[in-house]
Order: sequence, then structure tokens, then C-alpha cells
Amino acid sequence: NAGVTQTPKFQVLKTGQSMTLQCAQDMNHEYMSWYRQDPGMGLRLIHYSVGAGITDQGEVPNGYNVSRSTTEDFPLRLLSAAPSQTSVYFCASSPAGQGARVAFFGQGTRLTVV
Amino acid sequence: SQQGEEDPQALSIQEGENATMNCSYKTSINNLQWYRQNSGRGLVHLILIRSNEREKHSGRLRVTLDTSKKSSSLLITASRAADTASYFCATERAGGTSYGKLTFGQGTILTVHP
Repeated sequence: NAGVTQTPKFQVLKTGQSMTLQCAQDMNHEYMSWYRQDPGMGLRLIHYSVGAGITDQGEVPNGYNVSRSTTEDFPLRLLSAAPSQTSVYFCASSPAGQGARVAFFGQGTRLTVV
Repeated sequence: SQQGEEDPQALSIQEGENATMNCSYKTSINNLQWYRQNSGRGLVHLILIRSNEREKHSGRLRVTLDTSKKSSSLLITASRAADTASYFCATERAGGTSYGKLTFGQGTILTVHP
């Protein structure tokens, strides 16, 4: 069972470059989210989606774009990388509804912007 | 801003001892969840407690929730070296528009010495 798959695992970018972090889930979850984790800061929500075609901003959305064309995929695009975006990025998915909306996380993408 | 504050930031104990971590949050919530993160890995869900619950158990884990004080605690009994990890509390804010969006605390680093 793959769960949530993130690619790549590691990436080094130069300032100003753009790239897309990939996230795919095979659990048919409606909700998907992107978080960044910085030392001593815990995880902060960047963008999230409640279903295909529906996205919204989280706490720290600037510099990032998302789209959700399918239930399975939720890519995160860095438009013009900056050193402040050096972080570990996690994608998560969770089921919708009134039940326990537990998040399942990918293994993370460690991004360094030089 | 971070919803949750956790203490202690770091906890070092011997195998067999109990470990207690605390979490405080700021707004009304639907539920509060605890996650574990091993070094360099993704987060794994441990336990969820709903806003109308006061205590929950799962194996060696015991979680309490005091909504009047906006606080929660996680107790790990008879800890093992394999429990060494970072532990995060996460809250889903009250209301339907917050479904699937989690706000994380800064985490507690637990070290269990053999």
C-alpha cells in the first residue's frame, strides 16, 4: 500500500528557479495539504484542497501555487525559489466527512535554495 | 501563527519510565491529534481526541483534553528506546471550513535511553 508518495526526496535549486514538488495518494482521500517544516517551527500549512478543482490558501501561501485536477494528485509549484523557501515539505491526505479526519503524510521533500 | 505550544521542548528519560508531553492551543477545536516523527521521516498519526471527549487510550498512550483550559497531554507509559522521536500535537479548528486543515505545535523531542 503506497499511501502518500512525494517526489523528489531531495532537491537543490538556485535562487529564481522554479520547480514542482509532486504528491500522489492512492487512498481516495478528498482532502490534501502541503506543509513546510522549519527547525523549531513545527509544521505550517501552505495550501490545501478539499477536492478536485478546489484549493485554498493556508498560513504561509506566498511564493507557492497549487492545483488539483484529480483526486490523486496535488502538486506544489515554487514560482521563483528564494533561500527563505529552504525547508522540508510534507504532503498529507485525509478522508472527508464527520469521522476521524486523520492525516497521512508522505516522507517529505528536503529542499535547499542556494 | 502557531496554534499550539508544546512543553517541554525536549524530554530525556530512561527506558521503563513514563513520558508526559503537554500541548496548549488558542481557538475552539473539532479535534486534537498527536503525531510522531522519527528523524528524517514523515509524521505518523498516533491518536485523535474529539472536542467532546476528555480522555482516550490506545495501547501505551493516554491522551487527555481540557477544552476549558485549551490544553492536552500525551502520556506514554513504560517507554522504550524505540519511542525516541519528536511528538507533535495538531488541532483541527472548530467549524466545517477547517475540515482537513491542521495547525501544529512546535513539538517535543523525546529521547529514551536504554
